[in-house]
Amino acid sequence: QVQLQESGPGLVKPSETLSLTCTVSGGSVSSPSYYWNWIRQPPGKGLEWIGCIYYSGSTNYNPSLKSRVTISVDKSKNQFSLKLSSVTAADTAVYYCARYRSGIDYWGQGTLVTVSS
Amino acid sequence: DTQMTQSPSSVSASVGDRVTITCRASQGIGSWLAWYQQKPGKAPKVLIYATSTLQTGVSSRFSGSGSGTDFTLTISSLQPEDFATYYCQQANNFPWTFGQGTKVEIK
Repeated sequence: QVQLQESGPGLVKPSETLSLTCTVSGGSVSSPSYYWNWIRQPPGKGLEWIGCIYYSGSTNYNPSLKSRVTISVDKSKNQFSLKLSSVTAADTAVYYCARYRSGIDYWGQGTLVTVSS
Repeated sequence: DTQMTQSPSSVSASVGDRVTITCRASQGIGSWLAWYQQKPGKAPKVLIYATSTLQTGVSSRFSGSGSGTDFTLTISSLQPEDFATYYCQQANNFPWTFGQGTKVEIK
């Protein structure tokens, strides 16, 4: 059974960098069959795709966040990570890591990250 | 970016009703469309991918159709567990984008 689990600080100060890690079990981030994604959802709002990484290391980002986002993969730990720099209150959201094959078929439980001083 | 517009934004319906949700893309996306169901406090769950393919384990009362720019999710007979918010999502081109969501509420 594939499982994804987000980890990282739940509180980040404005202007600092948000860092989250997704640990994958029951599947491999080295598989060429999947894209590994970060998606966020501000409280009470809809879903926003942040970006994804392929097993080769190639990435795609949402242009609205591209200048601040880095997604990387650590194959030795079967993890992938998100860094979002220069955060503001508008970046407060539940952050999900997720796997895409033909649809986004596995999601982490989500982690709430609040940006506040 | 490909904008995804869902309608309606919310719908009130009764158990047993047929419910249809529409998703329109701002440009053609082929068949690269998926539908998700999200309940409060939970991660979304994929219902349908590639426009009309039912995800394993999902009830057959859910169905999807469409192509190009216009897509539909239909719930044939609404059940109590179907009250939730539904999102469409395109994966034809980056950035992948979601519709704004449709909340299905109890009438």
